[in-house]
Amino acid sequence: GAGVSQSPRYKVAKRGQDVALRCDPISGHVSLFWYQQALGQGPEFLTYFQNEAQLDKSGLPSDRFFAERPEGSVSTLKIQRTQQEDSAVYLCASSLTSGPQETQYFGPGTRLLVL
Amino acid sequence: RKEVEQDPGPFNVPEGATVAFNCTYSNSASQSFFWYRQDCRKEPKLLMSVYSSGNEDGRFTAQLNRASQYISLLIRDSKLSDSATYLCVVSRPGNTGKLIFGQGTTLQVKP
Repeated sequence: GAGVSQSPRYKVAKRGQDVALRCDPISGHVSLFWYQQALGQGPEFLTYFQNEAQLDKSGLPSDRFFAERPEGSVSTLKIQRTQQEDSAVYLCASSLTSGPQETQYFGPGTRLLVL
Repeated sequence: RKEVEQDPGPFNVPEGATVAFNCTYSNSASQSFFWYRQDCRKEPKLLMSVYSSGNEDGRFTAQLNRASQYISLLIRDSKLSDSATYLCVVSRPGNTGKLIFGQGTTLQVKP
């Protein structure tokens, strides 16, 4: 079956540009997560949705980062006025329900390079 | 100090070797524990959950010591295809399932 998909797979932005990253979770999955992975590091949590509700955004590094999931399926992570330190792989993951034991399925990620 | 600490390696081992990775976590209220595998330029994939009683899946054995806040992964009879980065992962208390990842340990199995 179809897994989590993300687009674009690669994005090059000039410093100061706005970018929008899309995530299509597995159909029917209630929970959706965004993570940021810098080179040589493990992924770091950004934000969490349960259906359309954003229940945790404690990992968003600044108010330039904004995420939404208006209909409880597709999610968009938007970064305004990109900075070089935003260069990373942005991973989306979904799980069937919420809870610490649920398996999270990751998408292939969007590689963002800010010049 | 990171909440989940791992030796980044790399661990270079010959085929057939047994290799062990360790990780420590600092939040004693962590609820669930996992090892994920990440191939180069790919997404992380769940390798196995880790239970207090220890668990085994083929050549892979995971152990959890809650008292010492320590997690281990043992790989027996290493294969070339085991070459990857192994991420130690814990979930925060609460119902969201938010995952906290270690830096990852890189394994290179050589012929």
